[in-house]
Amino acid sequence: ETGVTQTPRHLVMGMTNKKSLKCEQHLGHNAMYWYKQSAKKPLELMFVYNFKEQTENNSVPSRFSPECPNSSHLFLHLHTLQPEDSALYLCASSPRLAYYNEQFFGPGTRLTVL
Amino acid sequence: GDSVTQMEGPVTLSEEAFLTINCTYTATGYPSLFWYVQYPGEGLQLLLKATKADDKGSNKGFEATYRKETTSFHLEKGSVQVSDSAVYFCALSDNGQGGSEKLVFGKGMKLTVNP
Repeated sequence: ETGVTQTPRHLVMGMTNKKSLKCEQHLGHNAMYWYKQSAKKPLELMFVYNFKEQTENNSVPSRFSPECPNSSHLFLHLHTLQPEDSALYLCASSPRLAYYNEQFFGPGTRLTVL
Repeated sequence: GDSVTQMEGPVTLSEEAFLTINCTYTATGYPSLFWYVQYPGEGLQLLLKATKADDKGSNKGFEATYRKETTSFHLEKGSVQVSDSAVYFCALSDNGQGGSEKLVFGKGMKLTVNP
């Protein structure tokens, strides 16, 4: 138990659906992250939020829309996804943006796009 | 830009065997180095870290030493157990010019330990 929870754990959606992934951290951290983990590829950083402000968008397609209403919650809104978007989506948090800080990861949401 | 190169595997070992997973990096500044582990069905967990040259990180019998001269952070364990079966990721976070305090990961190495 890392103090970072993600829901749902599994999600199957069609290409025309709209769904949202939720992440919540109970650690009092101020930085939150979304990563995409695909088979045989390095983890890809998608978005970074620091004190609720987005500080990084790593050239992510607009069909992925993040939202950070407060430092404890992070959402990833999904619409008109493609089959190649099927992956494990990981949320992480850290005390703040600092190069020496470890990140705490949630268990991930396994997304399948049909 | 910053990058991490690590052994990709997969690797299968017998219980009590010695483990080494090589990791080398390139960075513009003076990075912090990490090893993360991902057990089946779970997210990543920090295994150990080192923030300056010659630091040795250790946890659960695993060790890695920050070698600035060889830009390496190899992971070792003297005697693996079945419970060590997982995917291991080497990562860095850079503080230098051009570094953005993001974690940069290697591709991960899947380890299976048989009884």
